[in-house]
Amino acid sequence: GQSLEQPSEVTAVEGAIVQINCTYQTSGFYGLSWYQQHDGGAPTFLSYNGLDGLEETGRFSSFLSRSDSYGYLLLQELQMKDSASYFCAVPSPSGNTPLVFGKGTRLSVIA
Amino acid sequence: DGGITQSPKYLFRKEGQNVTLSCEQNLNHDAMYWYRQDPGQGLRLIYYSQIVNDFQKGDIAEGYSVSREKKESFPLTVTSAQKNPTAFYLCASRGPRAPQETQYFGPGTRLLVL
Repeated sequence: GQSLEQPSEVTAVEGAIVQINCTYQTSGFYGLSWYQQHDGGAPTFLSYNGLDGLEETGRFSSFLSRSDSYGYLLLQELQMKDSASYFCAVPSPSGNTPLVFGKGTRLSVIA
Repeated sequence: DGGITQSPKYLFRKEGQNVTLSCEQNLNHDAMYWYRQDPGQGLRLIYYSQIVNDFQKGDIAEGYSVSREKKESFPLTVTSAQKNPTAFYLCASRGPRAPQETQYFGPGTRLLVL
């Protein structure tokens, strides 16, 4: 089976940096993805890590350590619009089977 | 533009009534999925389909049914057997490139019980 753990809530100040952690237990591992979901909206893809290390996409970065079964999403220069829920997800080896999602971390950005 | 559409945006169900949620995609994806999301919760898989005329139960399939007669369409029926159907329902699809393939979501349908 597969399970992912992430904090339920995080609060950070506008302009600051925040890190959202995700630990996982999987029967096989094929990478870690991150999705963002604003209230009332659909989840949208942010990043994917297949190998150890840091992937950077603008203000967002994602890190993976396969030896520690751990990853994180790093958001820099926080903006109010970054207030949303963030989900880590584990893909399966087959392209057509579903992702398994964590329960999500609700990020609140305050002034 | 390519994408996934869901309709209606809001749906009201009376006690004992079956209702069907529509999901259509023009991304040419073989795989499609239905998730249920309750307030403040994550995504729970209801059903998924890897190819036309084939589908599998997810973690919470009881009280739901699906069909996959066309590649583009994967409707979900919430039956009267589902006693607590109020939730946000999300349809998604995914291409074949594994494991890094992005999963695309529709805008969702919010189901409310009258």
